[in-house]
Amino acid sequence: SQKIEQNSEALNIQEGKTATLTCNYTNYSPAYLQWYRQDPGRGPVFLLLIRENEKEKRKERLKVTFDTTLKQSLFHITASQPADSATYLCALDTGGFKTIFGAGTRLFVKA
Amino acid sequence: GAVVSQHPSWVICKSGTSVKIECRSLDFQATTMFWYRQFPKQSLMLMATSNEGSKATYEQGVEKDKFLINHASLTLSTLTVTSAHPEDSSFYICSAGTSASSSYNEQFFGPGTRLTVL
Repeated sequence: SQKIEQNSEALNIQEGKTATLTCNYTNYSPAYLQWYRQDPGRGPVFLLLIRENEKEKRKERLKVTFDTTLKQSLFHITASQPADSATYLCALDTGGFKTIFGAGTRLFVKA
Repeated sequence: GAVVSQHPSWVICKSGTSVKIECRSLDFQATTMFWYRQFPKQSLMLMATSNEGSKATYEQGVEKDKFLINHASLTLSTLTVTSAHPEDSSFYICSAGTSASSSYNEQFFGPGTRLTVL
């Protein structure tokens, strides 16, 4: 069956460190993968998109990698700040303009 | 740009009543709108996809007679939860897609509507 897995346990890190979140998927061949940020009681906010032919994408303090062989994406936040505390969602395109979301990983950045 | 609003942001209703949630794209025309439901600490689950002027396409397991979707214009879609029951209590989120010609499913999400059915 098709699955998207994100670490369900919260990630706690110290301010200034790099946060690394993992997204693994099975039985999908997505053309692209997206990462979103979601704050409590709010809708998701788009952060980055990476295509299947791209290995890495960067945007300011954010970096995403995409390994279609391992079926894995890593999401990095460098020099993390308490304001980065949120839930981060991985999302896959399944074709036909339909997006499937992972359950998200909650990040806590301590000052 | 690309702002999507939802109204109301939260609603409490009695069991058996119907609730309508509006989703609007404020500064662009949305050819496609998506409705999701999210339970606490779970992922967004796609309920249905709607295109302006046509019937919505519902995901497997979603009752189309219970969750009525109307996409009457390029800037407005509504979701009506009919005869709501406590198990329908959830966070409902809409998103709007910009163009079918885009090479990927670019979606802009609304802030969500918290529905509580007593």
